[in-house]
Amino acid sequence: GIQVEQSPPDLILQEGANSTLRCNFSDSVNNLQWFHQNPWGQLINLFYIPSGTKQNGRLSATTVATERYSLLYISSSQTTDSGVYFCAVNSGNTPLVFGKGTRLSVIA
Amino acid sequence: EPEVTQTPSHQVTQMGQEVILRCVPISNHLYFYWYRQILGQKVEFLVSFYNNEISEKSEIFDDQFSVERPDGSNFTLKIRSTKLEDSAMYFCASSEPNGASLSYEQYFGPGTRLTVT
Repeated sequence: GIQVEQSPPDLILQEGANSTLRCNFSDSVNNLQWFHQNPWGQLINLFYIPSGTKQNGRLSATTVATERYSLLYISSSQTTDSGVYFCAVNSGNTPLVFGKGTRLSVIA
Repeated sequence: EPEVTQTPSHQVTQMGQEVILRCVPISNHLYFYWYRQILGQKVEFLVSFYNNEISEKSEIFDDQFSVERPDGSNFTLKIRSTKLEDSAMYFCASSEPNGASLSYEQYFGPGTRLTVT
């Protein structure tokens, strides 16, 4: 089945710093989603981005489907950005396949 | 904005007991999913449901698991005889492919944390 790899696995940032998280996937997909898992375990949907670029406040994401990767940019990081960021992909109505996540810690 | 809801938020049960986790998907959605996440691990697919039947299931979804859509709004996951290793966060999700939006985006509920003692 499709493989999803996320990097880096762990990231520690000083508040105010910028970061880039990467998601590589092994096969063609037509759905890619980025999630933030908060300290209570909830999965917060950040982006639905099968291709192209989207921005939402300090966060933006770019997916290059032909090269099978997606990037999540976090600018001016805040302590509330801490948590685990997951990338998940699928094709059509098939189940989402999740990566192992990037654990982000933002230090004041 | 419509959202997926799940109850209870936290369930503690004894090994061998039956539990039912409940989900209310977004009303016009057609596909429903259950995923689980063991603490510290990635999110794994359990089962998908469409047109009142299971459309796909993973190796994890063995005979102790069952799903049901008992009415027009609820979607349930039953674990017949819980084991310690069933302790996890269980997420329900729904999607509306083939609808007006032509989007395959899956919308997740807040999860139910199941603790088996």
